[in-house]
Amino acid sequence: GENVEQHPSTLSVQEGDSAVIKCTYSDSASNYFPWYKQELGKRPQLIIDIRSNVGEKKDQRIAVTLNKTAKHFSLHITETQPEDSAVYFCAATPSGGYQKVTFGTGTKLQVIP
Amino acid sequence: NAGVTQTPKFRVLKTGQSMTLLCAQDMNHEYMYWYRQDPGMGLRLIHYSVGEGTTAKGEVPDGYNVSRLKKQNFLLGLESAAPSQTSVYFCASSYSQHTEAFFGQGTRLTVV
Repeated sequence: GENVEQHPSTLSVQEGDSAVIKCTYSDSASNYFPWYKQELGKRPQLIIDIRSNVGEKKDQRIAVTLNKTAKHFSLHITETQPEDSAVYFCAATPSGGYQKVTFGTGTKLQVIP
Repeated sequence: NAGVTQTPKFRVLKTGQSMTLLCAQDMNHEYMYWYRQDPGMGLRLIHYSVGEGTTAKGEVPDGYNVSRLKKQNFLLGLESAAPSQTSVYFCASSYSQHTEAFFGQGTRLTVV
């Protein structure tokens, strides 16, 4: 089955700096890669996703890049703000019917004002 | 539009007791999932369902059972609770496995 590794497990940045979180996946058939943000005590919520036919996707201060050859994808947050502090999860889903989503172990991002 | 609703929000069980967690979604989603979240372990899939009447095992299914008798509901059962099942449980649903998953608010379960 799919295996997703996520690094780093914790990340501290100064407000205004950029943050990068990286994930690798094992199944070359994976074609859907969502990122979820979980604030303390709350439920995970989707912030951005990318499909295998796209190399990069941006949404305001957030971007995701995908390298299918190397089987890794990354989340980039620019101009970080204190409200970006949360745990971020990457995930991967293989193509085909009835496949399940596999999550990374999460990255706790702390933005220091 | 409530989205995904889990009940209960909190529960304390004694070892050996049983309980059922209920997940309800009003988005007409085919896919539903039960995850457990433990510190440093991320979200681990317990069981999932790809439609009414179907269930399948995830990564950590031992000690749990599920049922999906109605499309909008996905039940997670613990027949004989163990301290190792102390965790936060999240239910989620999605239109397909390649679309956004919507999560419930979570159930904090403590087994003593």
